[in-house]
Amino acid sequence: SQQGEEDPQALSIQEGENATMNCSYKTSINNLQWYRQNSGRGLVHLILIRSNEREKHSGRLRVTLDTSKKSSSLLITASRAADTASYFCATVPSGGSYIPTFGRGTSLIVHP
Amino acid sequence: DGGITQSPKYLFRKEGQNVTLSCEQNLNHDAMYWYRQDPGQGLRLIYYSQIVNDFQKGDIAEGYSVSREKKESFPLTVTSAQKNPTAFYLCASNRRGQGGGSREKLFFGSGTQLSVL
Repeated sequence: SQQGEEDPQALSIQEGENATMNCSYKTSINNLQWYRQNSGRGLVHLILIRSNEREKHSGRLRVTLDTSKKSSSLLITASRAADTASYFCATVPSGGSYIPTFGRGTSLIVHP
Repeated sequence: DGGITQSPKYLFRKEGQNVTLSCEQNLNHDAMYWYRQDPGQGLRLIYYSQIVNDFQKGDIAEGYSVSREKKESFPLTVTSAQKNPTAFYLCASNRRGQGGGSREKLFFGSGTQLSVL
């Protein structure tokens, strides 16, 4: 079962613009993670936000978490062509086996 | 350098054949996972193991088998019972979080593309 669902499925922007991706989920979480995948490669962890946190920053990345709405957003500021990739959210449920569950991802294309 | 190594990068399976995908990590992680990714799709969990000599089925375990005889290794066998094996297979690992469980960030290998001849 896929817990998180990203929106939009695809996003095309110009270099220098900001890119915002959203993730919605259904059950209570321990934490939510964002990953990046370049075509034909493995996923790379970007940022982890815990259920008691509301916002985290890492370089040009900003992640917010709203547990009341069961949603998260990933903002990439001042996008570069090298940011072109697919971005996935993964939710780790609270309790149980804590197995990360991934959404279908957002495909981001940044035009130079 | 620490990391996860998957091999081979490309693999071809003939009908009726079992094939095994290798996954090795030197990160000293307790938990390891196998995910399947179909084109344009997210990752679906096949099997996971949180400790040596123990593993659990994920959402799509039918037609697959695993073993976890060593902490470093978690091979996946795609059996002939898996009728639609063409996909990109990803292995991942993470350390046990505080209080148990496997809640921390995942480290991924570079994947194996499996195709049917």
